[in-house]
Amino acid sequence: GAGVSQSPSNKVTEKGKDVELRCDPISGHTALYWYRQSLGQGLEFLIYFQGNSAPDKSGLPSDRFSAERTGGSVSTLTIQRTQQEDSAVYLCASSFVLTSGPYEQYFGPGTRLTVT
Amino acid sequence: QKEVEQNSGPLSVPEGAIASLNCTYSDRGSQSFFWYRQYSGKSPELIMFIYSNGDKEDGRFTAQLNKASQYVSLLIRDSQPSDSATYLCAVVKTSYDKVIFGPGTSLSVIP
Repeated sequence: GAGVSQSPSNKVTEKGKDVELRCDPISGHTALYWYRQSLGQGLEFLIYFQGNSAPDKSGLPSDRFSAERTGGSVSTLTIQRTQQEDSAVYLCASSFVLTSGPYEQYFGPGTRLTVT
Repeated sequence: QKEVEQNSGPLSVPEGAIASLNCTYSDRGSQSFFWYRQYSGKSPELIMFIYSNGDKEDGRFTAQLNKASQYVSLLIRDSQPSDSATYLCAVVKTSYDKVIFGPGTSLSVIP
């Protein structure tokens, strides 16, 4: 079946512009995660959705970052007034949520954001 | 103390050797544990998960979990150059909690 998809795959934007990154999770996966990964660094947690609600927004770096999820499916991460330090690969992952047992995450291919 | 810690690496092993990757976590209530592999420029992919104390084997990979010591490890037997990647340990407490990733250990298998 189809995996997690993300768009665009690459985005180059000028400093100060707003960008929207999209994630389409695996059908039926109720949990959706956004991470950021700078070159050579680990995964930085941004936000996590259960259905349409976000129980944990603790990783959003500033109020320039926001995310929403509608219909329990597609999610959009918006970065306003982009800065050069926002340049990174933004990864989305989705998973089932079970009452017990493991919750493997399946990752999308990522969006490489470059702010010039 | 970081929530999930891993060997800082890089770890280099000769081809055919056993690579041992270690991970410790701080939340004693954690229930499920994952190992992901990430090749350079690619997204992480799941290798194994474990949620019971003891060993779990899958081909050349063995995950070991010791909840009392808050320790999980990944052994790779007969290491191959294609195993060269960054290995990420991930931990989750309950179905309503976020998954917490460690910083990753870079493994290099030398032919």
